[in-house]
Amino acid sequence: QSVLTQPPSVSGAPGQRVTISCTGSSSNIGTGYDVHWYQHLPGTAPKLLIYGNNNRPSGVPDRFSSSKSGTSASLAITGLQAEDEADYYCQSFDISLSVYVFGTGTKITVL
Amino acid sequence: QLVESGGNLVQSGGSLRLSCAASGFTFSSYEMHWVRQAPGKGLHWISYISSAGANIFYADSVKGRFTISRDNAKDSLYLQMKSLRAEDTAVYYCARGTFGMDVWGQGTTVTVSS
Repeated sequence: QSVLTQPPSVSGAPGQRVTISCTGSSSNIGTGYDVHWYQHLPGTAPKLLIYGNNNRPSGVPDRFSSSKSGTSASLAITGLQAEDEADYYCQSFDISLSVYVFGTGTKITVL
Repeated sequence: QLVESGGNLVQSGGSLRLSCAASGFTFSSYEMHWVRQAPGKGLHWISYISSAGANIFYADSVKGRFTISRDNAKDSLYLQMKSLRAEDTAVYYCARGTFGMDVWGQGTTVTVSS
C-alpha cells in the first residue's frame, strides 16, 4: 500500500497541458524530502523524468516540469504528444517508515 | 548500464538470488535500489543499500525474507530472496540511486508458483 496517492488516469488532447498530482503526508513530501518523477512504458525500464527541485536529466524535454507545495507535488506536461502515453510515478522517502516510496501511478492517455 | 539476472520460476517457499551487473560508471560511488512491479500493478520499492553497504533499508513486505548486498570489487548488486510467496511474482529491477533513480536495468522476471 503506497503512501503517495496519484490519480489513476489523466487524459488530454495533443498539444494540451495536463497535470498529475502526488499527495503525501508530513512524514514524506511534507518533511522536505525530494520528490522524483518517472515515466514507464510497459515492457521497458522506468525512466527518470524529473529529480529534486524540477531538475531534468539530459535528454528530457522542457515540456515536463514539477512543483511541490506542503505535502503534495505535481508533474505538468505541456504540449502533450502521442509519445507521452505512459505510466507516471512520483517517488520520495518516508522518514517515519524509513522506506522509499512510489506513488500509486497515473496512466496518461493522449486522446 | 545495469543488467539483472537470476529470475526464474520457483515454488512457493523456495529461494532465489538475483544479480545486477553494473558497467560504465564507478559502481562503488553509488547507492543502489531494488524495485519490483507485479503483474498489473505499479512500481514498488523493496530495498536500498548505500554505496559502501553500511546502510540498508527494506520494505515491510520483504523484511526478514530478502537480503540486499553488493560486491563493489565485482561491480555487482544482489538480492537474496527466501520464503518466496505468490505475491512476490514480479519483474525485479535494480536501479542506481543518487538524485532519484537515474539508471535502471531492463528487469528480470520472478514467478512464484503456489
